[in-house]
Amino acid sequence: DTGVSQDPRHKITKRGQNVTFRCDPISEHNRLYWYRQTLGQGPEFLTYFQNEAQLEKSRLLSDRFSAERPKGSFSTLEIQRTEQGDSAMYLCASSLRGFYEQYFGPGTRLTVT
Amino acid sequence: AQKVTQAQTEISVVEKEDVTLDCVYETRDTTYYLFWYKQPPSGELVFLIRRNSFDEQNEISGRYSWNFQKSTSSFNFTITASQVVDSAVYFCALSRANNAGNMLTFGGGTRLMVKP
Repeated sequence: DTGVSQDPRHKITKRGQNVTFRCDPISEHNRLYWYRQTLGQGPEFLTYFQNEAQLEKSRLLSDRFSAERPKGSFSTLEIQRTEQGDSAMYLCASSLRGFYEQYFGPGTRLTVT
Repeated sequence: AQKVTQAQTEISVVEKEDVTLDCVYETRDTTYYLFWYKQPPSGELVFLIRRNSFDEQNEISGRYSWNFQKSTSSFNFTITASQVVDSAVYFCALSRANNAGNMLTFGGGTRLMVKP
């Protein structure tokens, strides 16, 4: 049983560029979550999907952020016109059902220069 | 609103010492879930335990034990006979139990350093 995978693991981009991250959840998990973690802080919720439906978005998710989960499998998180404040670790997690424990991927570390 | 506080930002112990990591939470919900995760230097969050709010029994798993006290809104984590491999950042987290979203609200984490 493979765990949650994320790609890329590291991304360095210049301010103003667009970036896209991918998350592959554990295969039978219907819930998929995105979190953001800045240095020295705990992860903060961004958005979540149940199957292909995006059911909630945090106020942290500005208009420059968009997430999709086509066909209820993998998910992508896109950041448009990146800013230096977007530099963080972006974590993806999946769970079998809503209140079950969430399993996290290794994260994508984004650095905006 | 939900909130998790881990007042200890950093703890340093010598190997084989016992150490307790504190977690205090705030929620208006009557049913909820509490979690502990470990984040080693590699960065990946590792699930340790899930506890629901109506089960106040303490739990032991090897060298790990958890003490849940609803009266004080605390869910503390003790490592017995600590080892160098226990060095990591530990996060306590809280989620609602109404199946609406169940996103995790994390504390700020406690960095544990176990020295040989």
